[in-house]
Amino acid sequence: DAGITQSPRHKVTETGTPVTLRCHQTENHRYMYWYRQDPGHGLRLIHYSYGVKDTDKGEVSDGYSVSRSKTEDFLLTLESATSSQTSVYFCAIREQGEQFFGPGTRLTVL
Amino acid sequence: DAKTTQPPSMDCAEGRAANLPCNHSTISGNEYVYWYRQIHSQGPQYIIHGLKNNETNEMASLIITEDRKSSTLILPHATLRDTAVYYCIVRVGPGSGGYQKVTFGTGTKLQVIP
Repeated sequence: DAGITQSPRHKVTETGTPVTLRCHQTENHRYMYWYRQDPGHGLRLIHYSYGVKDTDKGEVSDGYSVSRSKTEDFLLTLESATSSQTSVYFCAIREQGEQFFGPGTRLTVL
Repeated sequence: DAKTTQPPSMDCAEGRAANLPCNHSTISGNEYVYWYRQIHSQGPQYIIHGLKNNETNEMASLIITEDRKSSTLILPHATLRDTAVYYCIVRVGPGSGGYQKVTFGTGTKLQVIP
C-alpha cells in the first residue's frame, strides 16, 4: 500500500463549514495527488504536489486548497464546504512511475 | 492527455479469461498505456503498463495493437475477487520527469460470475 494513510476515513459536515483532509505517507515520496471520485465521472484530479511547498491545480480545483509543509503530509482543505463536494476523496503517491492510492475518505456535506 | 474509451460493463465466467478492451486513438508517441482496477470501496490498484510491446506480470497480460490505438487487458483465469472496475489510462511513462497529470475515465465494470 506504499505506506499511505488518509484521515479521517469518514466525515459528515454541514454546508459552509471548513474541512481538512489529511494524506500521510511514510516513504518520502516526492509526488502526491488528491482526487475525487463521483458516480459517472471516474477519478478526477483536484490538486497535486511535486515537493514541499510546491503544489499546482488539477482539473477540478475550484473550492479546494492544498498545503504541503513537509514531505509526508499533503492536506486538502475545503474552505467552505458545499453539497457538491460530497464525494470520496483519494490521495495518491507516485513511486517509480506508478501511482499508488490511499484507502479514501468518504465526505458527506449536508 | 490522450482520452480512452472503454465499455461500461462486462461479464465473465469464473475460471475463464476476461478480455477488457480499451481504445486510445489519440495516444502520443511517448505515452504509455496503464491499467488500474478498483474493488468496491477501496482505492485504485495498479495492474500493469506498457508502451508498445505486449507485457505480462503475475496479475495480467497487456496486448497493445501495432498502431497503439487500442489495447486489451487479459485476466487469464478470472476469479470472483477480480470483480472490480477496470480503468485504462494513457500518460507519460515511469522514466519521465515532472508532473504526470492523470485522468481516470469511468472504466469498465467487470462482473465475474460463478
